[in-house]
Amino acid sequence: SAVISQKPSRDICQRGTSLTIQCQVDSQVTMMFWYRQQPGQSLTLIATANQGSEATYESGFVIDKFPISRPNLTFSTLTVSNMSPEDSSIYLCSVSRDLGETQYFGPGTRLLVL
Amino acid sequence: DAKTTQPPSMDCAEGRAANLPCNHSTISGNEYVYWYRQIHSQGPQYIIHGLKNNETNEMASLIITEDRKSSTLILPHATLRDTAVYYCIVRVGSGGGSQGNLIFGKGTKLSVKP
Repeated sequence: SAVISQKPSRDICQRGTSLTIQCQVDSQVTMMFWYRQQPGQSLTLIATANQGSEATYESGFVIDKFPISRPNLTFSTLTVSNMSPEDSSIYLCSVSRDLGETQYFGPGTRLLVL
Repeated sequence: DAKTTQPPSMDCAEGRAANLPCNHSTISGNEYVYWYRQIHSQGPQYIIHGLKNNETNEMASLIITEDRKSSTLILPHATLRDTAVYYCIVRVGSGGGSQGNLIFGKGTKLSVKP
């Protein structure tokens, strides 16, 4: 399995601001994903981060709100833009070595928006 | 919506086997059964997966019925550290260039008691 780290581990932000979350993997992976877990809820896939092209967003998530970068095979960022209290969640990075293989998750970033 | 049905909660005595059931009556022939768990405030941890044969690793055993419509995750000697939410997920695995998304349901909250 891959070793996945996320920065920051937690943050408290003011509404209207933006936060960029980083995901770093210790080895090259083909697939990287971003999930959201709202308080008391299960995980929901936000998007698939594609290297060299725009991310693929799930229904209900848009690039303007959640811009994603994937500059190489070990790193990705998710930005939560123009935050509101409804964005308070745990944001999780997930990776798989190749298409269709097992996904592994990072420790998550806990975001509280006031 | 998740394609699996799990009991919302279960209790297990420490040291005893924990048997977590999952129904997936609409599973397709190319879909695998995956199990993850999420210990409070951490990212989901991969446990095990299988297609149709029973599987065992250092963490658990996975028993899949012959018709593949249900499965059971077995933790042979549960400890207090196994207290977590356990998610049963069906998804397309590797092959054919497909990448089935992980769709998380509500899972089973397992409480291991001393």
